[in-house]
Amino acid sequence: QVQLKESGPGLVQPSQTLSLTCTVSGFSLTSYHVSWVRQPPGKGLEWMGVIWTGGSTAYNSLLKSRLSISRDTSKSQVFLKMNSLQTEDTATYYCARDRYYGYTPSYFDYWGQGVMVTVSS
Amino acid sequence: DIQMTQSPASLSASLGETVTIECRASEDIYNGLAWYQQKPGKSPQLLIYNANSLHTGVPSRFSGSGSGTQYSLKINSLQSEDVASYFCQQYYDYPPTFGAGTKLELK
Repeated sequence: QVQLKESGPGLVQPSQTLSLTCTVSGFSLTSYHVSWVRQPPGKGLEWMGVIWTGGSTAYNSLLKSRLSISRDTSKSQVFLKMNSLQTEDTATYYCARDRYYGYTPSYFDYWGQGVMVTVSS
Repeated sequence: DIQMTQSPASLSASLGETVTIECRASEDIYNGLAWYQQKPGKSPQLLIYNANSLHTGVPSRFSGSGSGTQYSLKINSLQSEDVASYFCQQYYDYPPTFGAGTKLELK
């Protein structure tokens, strides 16, 4: 069945770089796009960016200067790197499967369990 | 970016009651709207897409409606397992944006 699972450090120091991995199963990264979405504690959801089936990416303009999404299709893994972290980046980070195939925005039909990342010294 | 305004922010209802949550977009999103349910400590789960299409496995007591800039999620005959937060999301234009959420509790 379709599964996504995020992994990465739970604690990152301010100004450092966050590196997360999303490992997927039950579908191919060459058939479905994968997005990253984050949620600060007790708050709403923010779409961060997407890696499309062809390997190109799109980012939220608010994060574009700090964010990079890549993948390794042979390992069914999607990677998120975000630099210059601040306390306001403290959040649960989710990867999610885009339902649409085209290069248009989509809703998300499967989500990972999320990984909580705290930015603190 | 398209702004999504969701109301109410919180809601208290009794078992068996019908509940409606509203979502207003800052511009026409042409039914590019999804609804998610999120239980405490869990990831969001898709309920509705294309404004009114029920995702596989979602109970039929959930329904979505609306058009243009105004959309709603209705839960008929509220069950205890429906206690959760609910979010709307537009996917008409980049970036996809979410409403702030509605926290549904039992009265």
